[in-house]
Amino acid sequence: KNEVEQSPQNLTAQEGEFITINCSYSVGISALHWLQQHPGGGIVSLFMLSSGKKKHGRLIATINIQEKHSSLHITASHPRDSAVYICAVRSSETSGSRLTFGEGTQLTVNP
Amino acid sequence: DAGVIQSPRHEVTEMGQEVTLRCKPISGHDYLFWYRQTMMRGLELLIYFNNNVPIDDSGMPEDRFSAKMPNASFSTLKIQPSEPRDSAVYFCASREQGAYEQYFGPGTRLTVT
Repeated sequence: KNEVEQSPQNLTAQEGEFITINCSYSVGISALHWLQQHPGGGIVSLFMLSSGKKKHGRLIATINIQEKHSSLHITASHPRDSAVYICAVRSSETSGSRLTFGEGTQLTVNP
Repeated sequence: DAGVIQSPRHEVTEMGQEVTLRCKPISGHDYLFWYRQTMMRGLELLIYFNNNVPIDDSGMPEDRFSAKMPNASFSTLKIQPSEPRDSAVYFCASREQGAYEQYFGPGTRLTVT
């Protein structure tokens, strides 16, 4: 079992739909990251969370430390949101700065 | 700032050849990370440096891989000899001391034939 699991692996939506991507992890963490990888391959950091909720534009990220679960929400989705979304955690059980990544969720938003 | 700079962006080489990938972190960032991304395994950390010192190289696949950071503004990842299974996209990322957010470079797409 991977330390970080994402669901779904693939998601297709219509423009305007509300989207949720989930991330579950099995270790204690000091931080959780949501990354976006564009079709061209570049990786952008969207959020870093250690508790609660963060919002940036149409993107919302939440984390429940007790349940070891995080969600990334996209409101009013748009075709330009099409990308791979990757969850990554920094374990609090080991020292250092290593990130462990989920396998990613491929999101396609159709016009 | 120009962000994290990687070169080359694309590299095609034959099996057995030496490959050197280069990275320039964001100025002032104390941490530098090398990642590999493949379809089969996703993103994996290979090695990271703090203040030019390698801290965790447990992700380096084997002795064919080596990484150096001779100064705060430059790092290399070398594969010698290269093999077709090394074909992947290699990302470099950097971050500041005390911060969590990492900034990724555009990646180097390596193809070994």
